[in-house]
Amino acid sequence: NAGVTQTPKFQVLKTGQSMTLQCAQDMNHEYMSWYRQDPGMGLRLIHYSVGAGITDQGEVPNGYNVSRSTTEDFPLRLLSAAPSQTSVYFCASSYGQDGYTFGSGTRLTVV
Amino acid sequence: DQQVKQNSPSLSVQEGRISILNCDYTNSMFDYFLWYKKYPAEGPTFLISISSIKDKNEDGRFTVFLNKSAKHLSLHIVPSQPGDSAVYFCAAGGNEKLTFGTGTRLTIIP
Repeated sequence: NAGVTQTPKFQVLKTGQSMTLQCAQDMNHEYMSWYRQDPGMGLRLIHYSVGAGITDQGEVPNGYNVSRSTTEDFPLRLLSAAPSQTSVYFCASSYGQDGYTFGSGTRLTVV
Repeated sequence: DQQVKQNSPSLSVQEGRISILNCDYTNSMFDYFLWYKKYPAEGPTFLISISSIKDKNEDGRFTVFLNKSAKHLSLHIVPSQPGDSAVYFCAAGGNEKLTFGTGTRLTIIP
């Protein structure tokens, strides 16, 4: 039982490049979310999904795109990377209020 | 607009004593509150939660108190152990999404 799997663990991008952060969960959770963690800012919600085919914006959605074609997968796309997107990204999934399970994170640096 | 606030960035406590972490929120629509613990280079892990219809929830050494009139919750850890040294985040919301505070770094001094 892998839980929430995020790939890659580390990534360096040049400004303007695009990439996709992968997130997969094997717990059949309906709810999935993407957060970014920055020093002094805590965890801020980027996008979330309440089920396959349904996504919505969180607190800081600009520059990011998501889709949810299956229950298991919730990829996060950076459309044109900027230095302000340097951060640690966490994916989480949940079946309810107690069940938020987080992945181990992706550390992204944009130069 | 920070809807969930943790005003103490850090806290140091002697091993064996009580650790008290505080959190304030502004949105009265929040119906569920949670505490997460985070070690470096790992994702946050769920610690304890409380529904807005309760004022206390206990799980072993961890107790969460909720004061709805003051929009304040706190996490008590008794007794504190070295392994409790981590960053603690409070979070609020419902099923669909959570809003997190900025975190408090707890250091347990042996």
